Amino acid sequence: ELKVEQNPLFLSMQEGKNYTIYCNYSTTSDRLYWYRQDPGKSLESLFVLLSNGAVKQEGRLMASLDTKARLSTLHITAAVHDLSATYFCAVGWLGGADGLTFGKGTHLIIQP
Amino acid sequence: GAGVSQSPSNKVTEKGKDVELRCDPISGHTALYWYRQSLGQGLEFLIYFQGNSAPDKSGLPSDRFSAERTGGSVSTLTIQRTQQEDSAVYLCASSLGLSATNKETQYFGPGTRLLVL
Repeated sequence: ELKVEQNPLFLSMQEGKNYTIYCNYSTTSDRLYWYRQDPGKSLESLFVLLSNGAVKQEGRLMASLDTKARLSTLHITAAVHDLSATYFCAVGWLGGADGLTFGKGTHLIIQP
Repeated sequence: GAGVSQSPSNKVTEKGKDVELRCDPISGHTALYWYRQSLGQGLEFLIYFQGNSAPDKSGLPSDRFSAERTGGSVSTLTIQRTQQEDSAVYLCASSLGLSATNKETQYFGPGTRLLVL
């Protein structure tokens, strides 16, 4: 069974600070995704990471993947209030084409 | 272009009734997925279609749940004899489906909020 663990599950931080969300998964995978969800809304794709050492950046968010450690990180730089949301990582089975297994999500609140 | 659309956006039903949820994927996307999101269980994968076929039905929680996809486009998720534990947001996603392992981004629809009384 593929398990995905995120931590922290809840994070309250101040604007301007940096922080990292961690995503660990239990079995070998070749695809990892980060999504954002605003309250009452659907999931918005942020990053797709497909290879060891992959790093992607968009604005104040940067995601990386270490397949050997089965770990992905989502780093927030100089947080702003608009980044308040719930962030999910999701992992697919190695060589599989089916659905993703999601972590429980990190509820992020950024206070002015 | 248009994203994934789902209908209805909200559905309230009585326990024991059947419901149908519809998903319209992004045009040209051959892979289609159903997930559900609930407070207790988080986001769970239900079923995946490649074209009209469903190679993976492992996520369907019981035989009351079924899904079909016709013409390689619209999909319907049917829940028979609904139970209160079926209350959740049902999300549909689609992806290009070009690679053998569907590594492309899955784009999600707005969801159908189902409440079973």
